[in-house]
Amino acid sequence: GAGVSQTPSNKVTEKGKYVELRCDPISGHTALYWYRQSLGQGPEFLIYFQGTGAADDSGLPNDRFFAVRPEGSVSTLKIQRTERGDSAVYLCASSLGGDGNYGYTFGSGTRLTVV
Amino acid sequence: AQKITQTQPGMFVQEKEAVTLDCTYDTSDPSYGLFWYKQPSSGEMIFLIYQGSYDQQNATEGRYSLNFQKARKSANLVISASQLGDSAMYFCAMRGRSYNKLIFGAGTRLAVHP
Repeated sequence: GAGVSQTPSNKVTEKGKYVELRCDPISGHTALYWYRQSLGQGPEFLIYFQGTGAADDSGLPNDRFFAVRPEGSVSTLKIQRTERGDSAVYLCASSLGGDGNYGYTFGSGTRLTVV
Repeated sequence: AQKITQTQPGMFVQEKEAVTLDCTYDTSDPSYGLFWYKQPSSGEMIFLIYQGSYDQQNATEGRYSLNFQKARKSANLVISASQLGDSAMYFCAMRGRSYNKLIFGAGTRLAVHP
């Protein structure tokens, strides 16, 4: 597609539930990144994929968070046993190359609210 | 450790005037890149300008320019001839050679007044 697409744009879930957030990167972009942006803060890195593999998952806060990119394009961020503190905007970005020299294109984000 | 600091939580500017948004950084990487993004209330992150650590010239993109002072580790964004549509959050970010991710500052909210 023309840009990075994230679905859903908004998600409200109950505490303890499981959620999946989807990111469809720009076609041909091999690198994909997930960020979390809490209210009033800058985005915080979660995980980086190069192709199908997670090259850096050092930003995942705990083992309730997991992400996959099985075919090297679409990625899904999965959050188990959601907590109110998980409420944030989850941003996805993609890049043509893994070294970032080609720039990053961000999606519009998924606003997750845990009630 | 890599860190971006934006010390101005909010800035005001009169329409058509210039404004400077501050950004300082800390990194041990000899090669790195500095980015500025605009985030309007709609939420998308819009790329504005990029400066490589070895670039000899300060980056410019239309009304945006980056005042890069390597020795001071600062990368301030200058917006000339401010427009009402420039009102948004502005984030400074850094990528180092040793890590393929962006590190963001806390952002500066810019309000342009008519």
